[in-house]
Amino acid sequence: QKEVEQDPGPLSVPEGAIVSLNCTYSNSAFQYFMWYRQYSRKGPELLMYTYSSGNKEDGRFTAQVDKSSKYISLFIRDSQPSDSATYLCAMSPRIKAAGNKLTFGGGTRVLVKP
Amino acid sequence: DGGITQSPKYLFRKEGQNVTLSCEQNLNHDAMYWYRQDPGQGLRLIYYSQIVNDFQKGDIAEGYSVSREKKESFPLTVTSAQKNPTAFYLCASSIGQGGAGELFFGEGSRLTVL
Repeated sequence: QKEVEQDPGPLSVPEGAIVSLNCTYSNSAFQYFMWYRQYSRKGPELLMYTYSSGNKEDGRFTAQVDKSSKYISLFIRDSQPSDSATYLCAMSPRIKAAGNKLTFGGGTRVLVKP
Repeated sequence: DGGITQSPKYLFRKEGQNVTLSCEQNLNHDAMYWYRQDPGQGLRLIYYSQIVNDFQKGDIAEGYSVSREKKESFPLTVTSAQKNPTAFYLCASSIGQGGAGELFFGEGSRLTVL
């Protein structure tokens, strides 16, 4: 079993819909959670990060962490065709951990249709 | 503009050949990383370096080699000992151990073995 599980998709939604993405994990030591967005044939870029449990909002994006269920989510409101990308979750047992301490999910491909 | 430059974007290799992927950064970051990305799998760490003239193996270092002679440069050699080298390779950097875990990625190099 992988340490971080993520549905590969693709997840296809109409423009304007809410996109709901999630990752489950098995390591209860994880406390720092990130979402990266990766456009086709490009490198990932950091979208959001959050510590421990709770919600964090940034514009149309909301990240949620439920440590008791070992489950994190990313919601994209009012989705746009430009949101079409692969979304990768990443996590670490340490706050502000370096890249060698990160564990990545496999990514979910999202298609937002006009 | 600061960033990470990877070259070549696409590379074809015959079995038994070594190839070197270039990674250059002008972000003045101390730490640099090489990841491998396969469809449906999370990013897997090959090698990382936190300081010039020093590097450590990641989770899947077998069949790869690196050098870090300059802060800006972290080339990856895929040797003939790597049994399944066809993949998308990503170079990344971060400000170091004290950073917020944000990785800055290059645009990747796609290696195909013929």
